[in-house]
Amino acid sequence: AQTVTQSQPEMSVQEAETVTLSCTYDTSESDYYLFWYKQPPSRQMILVIRQEAYKQQNATENRFSVNFQKAAKSFSLKISDSQLGDAAMYFCAYTRANAGGTSYGKLTFGQGTILTVHP
Amino acid sequence: ETGVTQSPTHLIKTRGQQVTLRCSSQSGHNTVSWYQQALGQGPQFIFQYYREEENGRGNFPPRFSGLQFPNYSSELNVNALELDDSALYLCASGEGTGNYGYTFGSGTRLTVV
Repeated sequence: AQTVTQSQPEMSVQEAETVTLSCTYDTSESDYYLFWYKQPPSRQMILVIRQEAYKQQNATENRFSVNFQKAAKSFSLKISDSQLGDAAMYFCAYTRANAGGTSYGKLTFGQGTILTVHP
Repeated sequence: ETGVTQSPTHLIKTRGQQVTLRCSSQSGHNTVSWYQQALGQGPQFIFQYYREEENGRGNFPPRFSGLQFPNYSSELNVNALELDDSALYLCASGEGTGNYGYTFGSGTRLTVV
């Protein structure tokens, strides 16, 4: 079974600074997708960034980037120039890729990291 | 483009009762998944529907059941409610396999007393 582990229950950062959130996962699959989701107090899970396992290039979305280390099964999120609106719970998530046939897009989530941004 | 909407936003039920939660998928999405999120935890996969058929289920008992309708909206039904069913229930919709990421609703907060 796939598992996702986030070892940092809480992190804090000063506004405009950079912070890195850690995530490790365990899978026997070779093709899969990894995601970072943000959940603010509004409760809605918002997709931050997505990484395809067969792509060696790290994904980047504006101030958000990942460090994907497939051999180490590590997938960290770097937030640059942190803003007050970045404060939220962040979840790392995994889903296996589908080789065809019936769709099965189960997301396996980590336990989450609460990010606090100080002005 | 509309997002995913869930109703109701909050609900209080008594142990042993039955509850139905509703979800309207984002336009163009044919896959819907349901997740249970206990306070301070990550969401846990309940089940998924693709074109009105259940095509995946997590470790939840049969009293958790669902439906997906031709317009791809969905319901989650829970029978014989237990205190441990108190949680945030999230609905997520996507296209096909969802490998491009799902769009989540804001959830229904269920409290069982």
